[in-house]
Amino acid sequence: DGGITQSPKYLFRKEGQNVTLSCEQNLNHDAMYWYRQDPGQGLRLIYYSQIVNDFQKGDIAEGYSVSREKKESFPLTVTSAQKNPTAFYLCASRFGQNNEKLFFGSGTQLSVL
Amino acid sequence: GNSVTQMEGPVTLSEEAFLTINCTYTATGYPSLFWYVQYPGEGLQLLLKATKADDKGSNKGFEATYRKETTSFHLEKGSVQVSDSAVYFCALGSGTYKYIFGTGTRLKVLA
Repeated sequence: DGGITQSPKYLFRKEGQNVTLSCEQNLNHDAMYWYRQDPGQGLRLIYYSQIVNDFQKGDIAEGYSVSREKKESFPLTVTSAQKNPTAFYLCASRFGQNNEKLFFGSGTQLSVL
Repeated sequence: GNSVTQMEGPVTLSEEAFLTINCTYTATGYPSLFWYVQYPGEGLQLLLKATKADDKGSNKGFEATYRKETTSFHLEKGSVQVSDSAVYFCALGSGTYKYIFGTGTRLKVLA
């Protein structure tokens, strides 16, 4: 079955710690995205990548970092500089041109201990 | 800039009631419009889409028509079921990498 796999489903971060959220897709999609979802708010774009070895900041990139070394993988690191990391993180990918639909993973809930 | 505004929830309905969730947008050019659905603890799934004015997207009994004259894309269903309880997001794709999402409307359907 093709799809997007996010792991872990739940993650806890201690003060001063960096944590990495995994996102893998086997859909052969070029573009991948990371969104943050807070209760009662829409999705906010953290980073996106349109092609391997290239990525761009979204609207709320501060305190986050990404890499895109393989087409299938787009991990997100939440650094200690992100002071309010508790949120639901969603990875998505897109095939083809802009305006096509996004495919989403099932999300990672990050909480601070 | 581009934006999406959708009605605040929660919306609570009895089973078999008629559903409308309003969505209006602001955009330059000719965006594509989407409705996504999110079930508890899960990611978003595409429910339906429309790519140009007067297009009607439909899926699983849900419908939405792309109205350029009123810049709207309201979601409707004639008879909701308990299984339709979820959060619904209106979204806009503007021809760049970026998608704009509304704040989501929670629907609760009571048996």
